[in-house]
Amino acid sequence: GNSVTQMEGPVTLSEEAFLTINCTYTATGYPSLFWYVQYPGEGLQLLLKATKADDKGSNKGFEATYRKETTSFHLEKGSVQVSDSAVYFCALSYNTDKLIFGTGTRLQVFP
Amino acid sequence: NAGVTQTPKFQVLKTGQSMTLQCAQDMNHEYMSWYRQDPGMGLRLIHYSVGAGITDQGEVPNGYNVSRSTTEDFPLRLLSAAPSQTSVYFCASSGLAGGRETQYFGPGTRLLVL
Repeated sequence: GNSVTQMEGPVTLSEEAFLTINCTYTATGYPSLFWYVQYPGEGLQLLLKATKADDKGSNKGFEATYRKETTSFHLEKGSVQVSDSAVYFCALSYNTDKLIFGTGTRLQVFP
Repeated sequence: NAGVTQTPKFQVLKTGQSMTLQCAQDMNHEYMSWYRQDPGMGLRLIHYSVGAGITDQGEVPNGYNVSRSTTEDFPLRLLSAAPSQTSVYFCASSGLAGGRETQYFGPGTRLLVL
């Protein structure tokens, strides 16, 4: 079946460090891929998405590239801030309303 | 716009009690869904609706009922609460105009069943 696998957290970084959160997927066909972010005490919100192979999604300094050959959608940011501390969820969808989520990766950024 | 709203924010129930979690959206979205979030398991889809009068089961529907009498509201009912239903519940919506796959989430309801 379709699934999403994320690296386990927490990921702990100092401010201005480089961030990578790995995400790989198992799916037939060509799903759309997403990163959602959940700040403490809040619901999830869309961070970025990519709908086809080699597309790069970007937002707020975060980037992720849809890699069909490695079935990956890794999240990166060049310089993290304390305000980036949150839980990050990778997800996929097949042009429908249903999202399949990974288990989430908690990021903690310290000054 | 308020977006997606959920009430209550917190609830404690005893085993066997019933309750309804409320969800409303003011974006005229066709699609609404309920997820539960448990540690180490991400979000799992409970029930969803593609429009008023239409509902269907998701991945973990047992123990929950839903109805969609209006476009705006999508309540989730627990008929007889069990400790296994202790979780954080999120309602989400999406619409054709914004892209069906981009979902907007409410702030969540934290439920504890004793």
